[in-house]
Amino acid sequence: GAVVSQHPSWVICKSGTSVKIECRSLDFQATTMFWYRQFPKQSLMLMATSNEGSKATYEQGVEKDKFLINHASLTLSTLTVTSAHPEDSSFYICSARLGRNQYFGPGTRLLVL
Amino acid sequence: QQQVKQSPQSLIVQKGGISIINCAYENTAFDYFPWYQQFPGKGPALLIAIRPDVSEKKEGRFTISFNKSAKQFSLHIMDSQPGDSATYFCAASSAYNTDKLIFGTGTRLQVFP
Repeated sequence: GAVVSQHPSWVICKSGTSVKIECRSLDFQATTMFWYRQFPKQSLMLMATSNEGSKATYEQGVEKDKFLINHASLTLSTLTVTSAHPEDSSFYICSARLGRNQYFGPGTRLLVL
Repeated sequence: QQQVKQSPQSLIVQKGGISIINCAYENTAFDYFPWYQQFPGKGPALLIAIRPDVSEKKEGRFTISFNKSAKQFSLHIMDSQPGDSATYFCAASSAYNTDKLIFGTGTRLQVFP
């Protein structure tokens, strides 16, 4: 139980394009989902908290116009990296909350050329 | 105040040995302490979690020990196996902000046969 999926797992795009990443809770409903970014050999950095039916809450320093988050249903949250640049290349991981636990997706590796 | 300090940064253990990872915190409002296991290129997976009213929790070969007065908790992996080689993160959250997981910096464990 408590499975979270992400799609795509890998994406390569040209600088200036937008990329959408989907996060789904497969066997439970999640009113709250989270988006993290992880640099190589580092810990997870929370980018934003996504609440179903309301606006996302962004962490300090994260541009909300750059990283658009939509939590359209109790099982789906999306992260759109707008006008991606090479510095946005990273490993993006979502999680969904169930009780006090957060269950993580497998991550999406983004490479911007 | 919000930090969770994790040590060691890396750990090498012989197969069959005990792996021990330690974490310390300052915020006495923290009341939930999960551990995550992350393999390269994958999202973190919840291993085991503990609350401060319990001094020890065991699940299979994984045991969390909790010392409330010292504000420390540790993960013990008994009979360590090469398949346990991964990065381990401790984390903490408080009842006042259950959404926010504060992660440790991670410990890279290598188990050699």
